[in-house]
Amino acid sequence: DSGVTQTPKHLITATGQRVTLRCSPRSGDLSVYWYQQSLDQGLQFLIQYYNGEERAKGNILERFSAQQFPDLHSELNLSSLELGDSALYFCASSVEGGGTTGELFFGEGSRLTVL
Amino acid sequence: GQQVMQIPQYQHVQEGEDFTTYCNSSTTLSNIQWYKQRPGGHPVFLIQLVKSGEVKKQKRLTFQFGEAKKNSSLHITATQTTDVGTYFCAGPHSGNNRLAFGKGNQVVVIP
Repeated sequence: DSGVTQTPKHLITATGQRVTLRCSPRSGDLSVYWYQQSLDQGLQFLIQYYNGEERAKGNILERFSAQQFPDLHSELNLSSLELGDSALYFCASSVEGGGTTGELFFGEGSRLTVL
Repeated sequence: GQQVMQIPQYQHVQEGEDFTTYCNSSTTLSNIQWYKQRPGGHPVFLIQLVKSGEVKKQKRLTFQFGEAKKNSSLHITATQTTDVGTYFCAGPHSGNNRLAFGKGNQVVVIP
């Protein structure tokens, strides 16, 4: 158990819909990262928040947005869903806010299926 | 695009044998991390390498960072069925300096 909690574990929805994925980081971790894992693209970094503020952006689509709340939990919002958005979405947390030193602790992921 | 390339993408390994998986970058990396993802699971951190030529061992696993800090390898000896999974290397992305993962090496262990 990494200490990172993600909900829901599974989600099935239709094209054009909007969903929200939720993540609670490990106790004491200020950084939350969102990654998308698909068969063809592997693990892709989407976005990072540190202590409530956006810290870095990766390959995140404009249809996607995220935020981190004062209690440090984070939500990833995916809108106007397309078939290609079907993937496993991982949240990870770390103590540090910048750079790449230090390990990431991954949650169990949210599997999104868009029909 | 991918900052680190992993080869091979798939491996079938006989139980008891050794195998190596490789990670290559076109640019110098400040550090490299390795993760393991079991089937149906999530990535779990294995190790971080920082120094040129660094070698670290964890029981049957040996991790190496190249002298030029552009490549890394993971060598597993006496493979066990518990070694099944996908091994990822990850290095800092040149654009956003966040961990960019390779596509992984999926390992199947043949009993």
